[in-house]
Amino acid sequence: GAVVSQHPSRVICKSGTSVKIECRSLDFQATTMFWYRQFPKQSLMLMATSNEGSKATYEQGVEKDKFLINHASLTLSTLTVTSAHPEDSSFYICSALLSGGYNEQFFGPGTRLTVL
Amino acid sequence: AQSVSQHNHHVILSEAASLELGCNYSYGGTVNLFWYVQYPGQHLQLLLKYFSGDPLVKGIKGFEAEFIKSKFSFNLRKPSVQWSDTAEYFCAVNALRGRRALTFGSGTRLQVQP
Repeated sequence: GAVVSQHPSRVICKSGTSVKIECRSLDFQATTMFWYRQFPKQSLMLMATSNEGSKATYEQGVEKDKFLINHASLTLSTLTVTSAHPEDSSFYICSALLSGGYNEQFFGPGTRLTVL
Repeated sequence: AQSVSQHNHHVILSEAASLELGCNYSYGGTVNLFWYVQYPGQHLQLLLKYFSGDPLVKGIKGFEAEFIKSKFSFNLRKPSVQWSDTAEYFCAVNALRGRRALTFGSGTRLQVQP
């Protein structure tokens, strides 16, 4: 099956720093990737839709200047949390949509961000 | 806008018991329906999906789900659970056309006692 990787799996940073999270589709091309956020014991909430070669589409309430998304190639999307604060601590999960008419998403293992 | 409701937040069963987890969705158009499982410390895995055709869908590990259009429901079932089924289960939907991002339910934590 299709595999999606995320790096890093865990990151701890100081308040005010920026953190970059990578999402890669390893064995397929994905023109569309999604970034979700999962708070403890809660469901996944969509943050943004990342489209290769164009600007990301952000969900209402998600600050685009704080959560920078870049989808520079068909296999890589990055999420940068700028000037991170403790309230940004969460589990960030990406998914990649299999191109070619399929409507199935494959999820990465997630990145646990802890901001001190 | 789409929404998904999972009514069971935490379910505790003994091994060999039967399982049914409820999922109801709200959306005006045609949807695709999914059940995902998240084992402790692992990433989301697809259990099964419904796009069209037979409303009774069989997935991996003995799970199945039935799409009942009139009830906007897509309940997950398994006749006999195992300890290894202990996990978080999420129902999700997306639109057949247009928005492809998934809308997730709040999840159901299943605990199977040996």
